[in-house]
Amino acid sequence: AQSVTQPDIHITVSEGASLELRCNYSYGATPYLFWYVQSPGQGLQLLLKYFSGDTLVQGIKGFEAEFKRSQSSFNLRKPSVHWSDAAEYFCAVGSYNTDKLIFGTGTRLQVFP
Amino acid sequence: EPEVTQTPSHQVTQMGQEVILRCVPISNHLYFYWYRQILGQKVEFLVSFYNNEISEKSEIFDDQFSVERPDGSNFTLKIRSTKLEDSAMYFCASSAQGGTGSEQYFGPGTRLTVT
Repeated sequence: AQSVTQPDIHITVSEGASLELRCNYSYGATPYLFWYVQSPGQGLQLLLKYFSGDTLVQGIKGFEAEFKRSQSSFNLRKPSVHWSDAAEYFCAVGSYNTDKLIFGTGTRLQVFP
Repeated sequence: EPEVTQTPSHQVTQMGQEVILRCVPISNHLYFYWYRQILGQKVEFLVSFYNNEISEKSEIFDDQFSVERPDGSNFTLKIRSTKLEDSAMYFCASSAQGGTGSEQYFGPGTRLTVT
C-alpha cells in the first residue's frame, strides 16, 4: 500500500537560512509526488509535482524538490527562507490509476527573524 | 484568482445530529473531492465525484456519508448521524481534469467538532 512519511513534525529556521523538508514514500511503481503548503486559514496550495523526467523539479515561491528513487525520497528545499514561508507543508503521493492523493502528516515550519 | 470556498469555517454539532458541509468548487472544474484531517493525523481521502456520481471512495466513506451536487455550483458532504470520531477538518477540492496528473485545488477547510 502507498504511504508517505514526513519525519519532522516541526522545524524552526532563521530567515535567510536554507531549508530542507524531508519526505519518504512507499509505493511499488513510479509514484506521482506532490508538495502542498497550507498557510493559516488557507487551503492547501500546490508548490510542485513530479511525474517523470528530470528528477529535480522547480516549483512556485522559489521551492524545488528532488526525486531520489534509491532513497524513496522527495525532499523539498529552498536556499533562503522568507518569513512568509512559515506554514504547514504536506508531501503527497498519487498514482496513475486513481484520483486520490495520500498525504503525510505534515511539517510545520516556523521562521524566526 | 479563482478559488474553492467552504462554509461554514467551523461547525459544532452534537453526536447523532446530521451535518452538511458545503463547498463551492472552481466554476469550470468537473472533478470534486473531499478529504479530512483528524487533529494530529494525516490528511485522508474520502471520496471523488464526477459526472454526478461517485468515482472512488475510501473505507472511511461508509453509509453515514453522502455527497451531492445539488445545483451547478455547490458540492456538499453530508454526515447522517455524527460520531465523536468524525471531529476533523474537512477539505473540499476540485480539478479541471481527472487523474492524478491534474492539480487539485483545495478549499480552506471546515472544522467539524462533534460533542
